[in-house]
Amino acid sequence: EVQLVESGGGLVKPGGSLRLSCAASGFTFSSYSMNWVRQAPGKGLEWVSSISSSSSYIYYADSVKGRFTISRDNAKNSLYLQMNSLRAEDTAVYYCARDLDPGAELDYWGQGTLVTVSS
Amino acid sequence: QSVLTQPPSVSGAPGQRVTISCTGSSSNIGAGYDVHWYQQLPGTAPKLLIYGNSNRPSGVPDRFSGSKSGTSASLAITGLQAEDEADYYCQSYDSSLSYVFGTGTKVTVL
Repeated sequence: EVQLVESGGGLVKPGGSLRLSCAASGFTFSSYSMNWVRQAPGKGLEWVSSISSSSSYIYYADSVKGRFTISRDNAKNSLYLQMNSLRAEDTAVYYCARDLDPGAELDYWGQGTLVTVSS
Repeated sequence: QSVLTQPPSVSGAPGQRVTISCTGSSSNIGAGYDVHWYQQLPGTAPKLLIYGNSNRPSGVPDRFSGSKSGTSASLAITGLQAEDEADYYCQSYDSSLSYVFGTGTKVTVL
């Protein structure tokens, strides 16, 4: 059974940092691209970042470029999102999701982890 | 980055048919990229509903169908049921190498 489990969310002050993790199981992690998608409270879905299976290709939404860094460790079946210079507008539930190729469907999602940026 | 446009809400009585539109541009849907649809029940993560414009993953009822034409796509739900009350999002890819989501549509079963 495919499972994606996010962790690392919490309350952080504006300007602070946080590192999210996503533990994958039930599939060959190294064969899939991975993504972070966020959802602000009461709002829609927003794609944040993508990383290819071998980390060769990395993309970011304009809203997080220069502040967030996506990475993965295929040996540990894990995906990460380092978030720096956090702003109030980064407050959201962050989901990790997998796809086979850029632009393909996000076929499995984690349950999400809540990040709250507030003083 | 681009956003796909959906109606904020649609509603229908049990058993009726409802459709949700998803309008993009020449840099995403119109560029030939596939459209995918997700269902998000209250308090849960999104779930893949339709992929590759019109394909249903295993376990998704055939009451759900998708289509794409030009710069738009649509999701149809026939034989609407109470359990279909949820938020629905379309998603595609953009020439700017970013994923784009629709604005979301809340489906209410009257």
